[in-house]
Amino acid sequence: GNSVTQMEGPVTLSEEAFLTINCTYTATGYPSLFWYVQYPGEGLQLLLKATKADDKGSNKGFEATYRKETTSFHLEKGSVQVSDSAVYFCALSDPYSGGGADGLTFGKGTHLIIQP
Amino acid sequence: ETGVTQSPTHLIKTRGQQVTLRCSSQSGHNTVSWYQQALGQGPQFIFQYYREEENGRGNFPPRFSGLQFPNYSSELNVNALELDDSALYLCASSLGVDRGAKNIQYFGAGTRLSVL
Repeated sequence: GNSVTQMEGPVTLSEEAFLTINCTYTATGYPSLFWYVQYPGEGLQLLLKATKADDKGSNKGFEATYRKETTSFHLEKGSVQVSDSAVYFCALSDPYSGGGADGLTFGKGTHLIIQP
Repeated sequence: ETGVTQSPTHLIKTRGQQVTLRCSSQSGHNTVSWYQQALGQGPQFIFQYYREEENGRGNFPPRFSGLQFPNYSSELNVNALELDDSALYLCASSLGVDRGAKNIQYFGAGTRLSVL
């Protein structure tokens, strides 16, 4: 079956530091890949996505590149801010395998804490 | 446009009882997906409804059931509640014309269910 593995948290960084959150996946088909962010007390918000190998998703200074050869989709940001503190989830959609449902498969999430 | 709204925000039930959670999809969206998020975990896909029919299901027992109405709002019903059903239940809506990343899912803030 499909699965997503993320680095364990919490990850604590100082403001303006470089961020990397690792994500690797296992899928039977040709998945689309996503990063979602969850702020306290809120639902998940789509941060960025990539639909095929070598695609780069980007938004709000965050980037991730779909690497089929390493089955990875690592999230990066060059200079983090206190407002980036949240839980980040890597996810995949693989609707053409299994039952064909378009449900997302999520990792366990990485809690990011940015200190001033 | 209005976003995805869920009700109630919090709910307390006892073991063995039944519960109904509600979700109003984003304007123009015809697909609703439900997820269970246990504390400290990523969301797990329960099932998806497209145009009032179940369109795929995750690894959840039959006591988890759902409905979608002609206005595309949806209900999640859980019978014979167990302690392990305590979680945040998330609803996501999307425009189910195409599968994969074109079907970006927009999440509500969730319903926090506690089973005592």
